[in-house]
Order: sequence, then C-alpha cells, then structure tokens
Amino acid sequence: EVQVVESGGGLVQPGGSLRLSCVVSGFTYDDYALHWVRHSPGKGLEWVSGISWNSDYIGHADSVKGRFTTSRDNAKNSLYLQLTSLTSEDTALYYCAVVSGVDGLEGAFDYWGQGTLVTVSS
Amino acid sequence: DIQMTQSPSSLSASVGDRVTITCRASQTISDSLNWYQHKPGQAPNLLIFAASNMEGRVPSRFSGSGYGTDFTLTISSLQPEDFATYYCQQGYSVPPTFGQGTKVEIK
Repeated sequence: EVQVVESGGGLVQPGGSLRLSCVVSGFTYDDYALHWVRHSPGKGLEWVSGISWNSDYIGHADSVKGRFTTSRDNAKNSLYLQLTSLTSEDTALYYCAVVSGVDGLEGAFDYWGQGTLVTVSS
Repeated sequence: DIQMTQSPSSLSASVGDRVTITCRASQTISDSLNWYQHKPGQAPNLLIFAASNMEGRVPSRFSGSGYGTDFTLTISSLQPEDFATYYCQQGYSVPPTFGQGTKVEIK
C-alpha cells in the first residue's frame, strides 16, 4: 500500500524560511514523479513544483520561482521543498502528490498525502 | 500555460440527481484530463484519469468523457458521500493546471 506523509509545516514570519519534507512508501521502484500542490484558504488547488524520478526534470510555478527549491532523495524515498522569502500569499496546506510510472512530470496525481500547513504571519 | 475553466463553480443538488460538470482547456490536451474529488480535511482523491478511465475503487456512478478541449464529469445518481468539491486537471504539459473547482452542495 502506498503511503505519503508530509511534515515540516508551521507558523513563520513574512520573509522567513521553512523546509517541508515528504516520505513516500509502498513503491517497488523509483519510477514516479513527485509534486507539491497547495490549497489556500478560499481558493482552489495550485501546483507548486514537481521533480522527475531521477531529478532530471524540475519545475516550479511562476508564483514561487526563485523563492522555492525542490529536491528529492530516492535513497530515503523523500521529497523536499525549501521555502524562502515567504509572504502571506504562501499560506496554504501543502500536499505532496505522486505521478506514478512516468519519466517526466506530466500525468495524473495518483496518490496524495494529508498535507502540512504553512502559515505566514507576523 | 494551459488554462482550465470549469463550470459551474457551484451547484445544489439532491440525492439521486444526475450531476454534470464541464471543463474546458484553453488549447487541445488530447485525453490528458483528470478529475479529483476533494472533501474538507481530506486529501484530494483521483476519480478519473485520461478523460474516461476510472481509478480502481471509484464507484461506477462516476464517469468521464471528452477529448481535445472539452470534457465532462458525470455523477449518474448523487449519493450523500458525493458532496464535495471537484477539480479537473490537465496532465498534458508542465505546469499542470487545475480548474477553479465545482462545489457540489446539498439542496
């Protein structure tokens, strides 16, 4: 059974930084892309970033480009999101989501974690 | 970026009703369209992938159709557990983009 568990969220001041983690278990092979998708209060789902199975392809939404960095460590079955220069617009529930069986980033988000909450406030 | 437009943004329906949600892409995306159900406090759940393929444990009252730019999610007979927000998402190109969501509420 595939499990996806995020951690690292919390309350941070504007301009601050945070590092989110996601651990994925239940896959036999590493042929899956990992993504971050966020859900802000009163808004819909917004893709934040994605990384291919071998880290050859990494993409970020324009809204976070230059501020957020995405990486993964397949030996630890883990995905990371480094958030810097945070603003109130980044307040959201951040989900880790899996696109399985692909070389790149495109596809359907098969599995999701329960999310980790990031609140940016003074 | 490919823009995804869902309609309606919300609807009220009764148990047993047939519900249809539409999603339009700003450019052709072949059949690379996925549908999710999202309930408060829960992770989004993949219902339909590649426009018309049901995910494993999804009830048969859910169905999807469409190709190119126009897509539809249909719930043939709405059940109490179906009240949620539904999102379409294109998996054709990066960045993946979502529709704004359709909230299905109890009439």
